[in-house]
Amino acid sequence: DAGVIQSPRHEVTEMGQEVTLRCKPISGHNSLFWYRQTMMRGLELLIYFNNNVPIDDSGMPEDRFSAKMPNASFSTLKIQPSEPRDSAVYFCASSSIRTEKLFFGSGTQLSVL
Amino acid sequence: GQQLNQSPQSMFIQEGEDVSMNCTSSSIFNTWLWYKQEPGEGPVLLIALYKAGELTSNGRLTAQFGITRKDSFLNISASIPSDVGIYFCAGGDSGGGADGLTFGKGTHLIIQP
Repeated sequence: DAGVIQSPRHEVTEMGQEVTLRCKPISGHNSLFWYRQTMMRGLELLIYFNNNVPIDDSGMPEDRFSAKMPNASFSTLKIQPSEPRDSAVYFCASSSIRTEKLFFGSGTQLSVL
Repeated sequence: GQQLNQSPQSMFIQEGEDVSMNCTSSSIFNTWLWYKQEPGEGPVLLIALYKAGELTSNGRLTAQFGITRKDSFLNISASIPSDVGIYFCAGGDSGGGADGLTFGKGTHLIIQP
């Protein structure tokens, strides 16, 4: 099993640019989660999907953030326009519905200059 | 929302020492999970606990689900250099899915030579 696959691993961009983070969940998992990790705030849930449908996006910080899951094997998190305070590690995770066991990807380290 | 207090924030120990860390909350949880995050990687599930009072081991790691359901403990015996990382606790609510997880801010384990 390849696990949760995220790309890119690192992204450095300038303020105002659009950033797109990508995720491939574990095959067969019905739930997909996007988290942001910072030293100050720890792991924060941004949004999660069940069966490709967004269920709760209350953690998305602003309208500049959007996420899509067009099919069961792919999701994107987009930031447009990006700002320096968006710099963080963004994790995608997947699980089967009705289980608490989350499987995380390796993350995308985002730096907005 | 629910909050988890994880302590200690960091630990500096000698190789071979035993390690104890805990997680407490003012809220009751139905599930406790412990994750480990190594540098540049996502958190990896170590142990999952489902019943108050449950004691579960995974190699040198032992975790307990507190009787009050408001706390959990993780012990590592005879630490080795590869134990270095950040250990996160996560509490799950009654919903039975990963969307109900609340994460602690982590305990940084550093092993001195």
